[in-house]
Amino acid sequence: RKEVEQDPGPFNVPEGATVAFNCTYSNSASQSFFWYRQDCRKEPKLLMSVYSSGNEDGRFTAQLNRASQYISLLIRDSKLSDSATYLCVVTNYGGATNKLIFGTGTLLAVQP
Amino acid sequence: DGGITQSPKYLFRKEGQNVTLSCEQNLNHDAMYWYRQDPGQGLRLIYYSQIVNDFQKGDIAEGYSVSREKKESFPLTVTSAQKNPTAFYLCASSINPGSYGYTFGSGTRLTVV
Repeated sequence: RKEVEQDPGPFNVPEGATVAFNCTYSNSASQSFFWYRQDCRKEPKLLMSVYSSGNEDGRFTAQLNRASQYISLLIRDSKLSDSATYLCVVTNYGGATNKLIFGTGTLLAVQP
Repeated sequence: DGGITQSPKYLFRKEGQNVTLSCEQNLNHDAMYWYRQDPGQGLRLIYYSQIVNDFQKGDIAEGYSVSREKKESFPLTVTSAQKNPTAFYLCASSINPGSYGYTFGSGTRLTVV
């Protein structure tokens, strides 16, 4: 089983729609969670951290369910510029090291 | 402006050649990482370094080598032993991954010709 699993999509939605992505992680000891955005042929960029109480940044809302080991990202009022791949990321701590574990990403295509 | 710089942006390698990808950061981050991304696949960790003069293998280190002689620099060498090196290579750095995640460079696209 992959450490971080996401539906690869693509999610094709019209402008103005609300879309939600889900992600599950396998390590119950995972402590930090993020959503990254990656545009085609570009590097990933941090979109937002995910906090236990849930958090919002403008049109974006992230939620964490530790009991179900599940993370979500909700995008309201989708814009054409939201078209990208969204990567779910968790941090696993192993001894003295910590690394980010990336999901394979969910592709979003917002249509005019 | 602080950031992380990868060079070159595009690199072409002949069969049997070693090539070195540059990664430099001026963010004063201790930790640096190299990832490989193939089409339709996630990021796979090649090597990482938590501190100068120390580095560890990631999940796919075979055919690669690194050095960390300076805090700012973490070059990756793709050796001839790497049988399928064509990929998008991403360097990242962090001051505290659990709190702040990674900052990525813009990547190097390596193609074997």
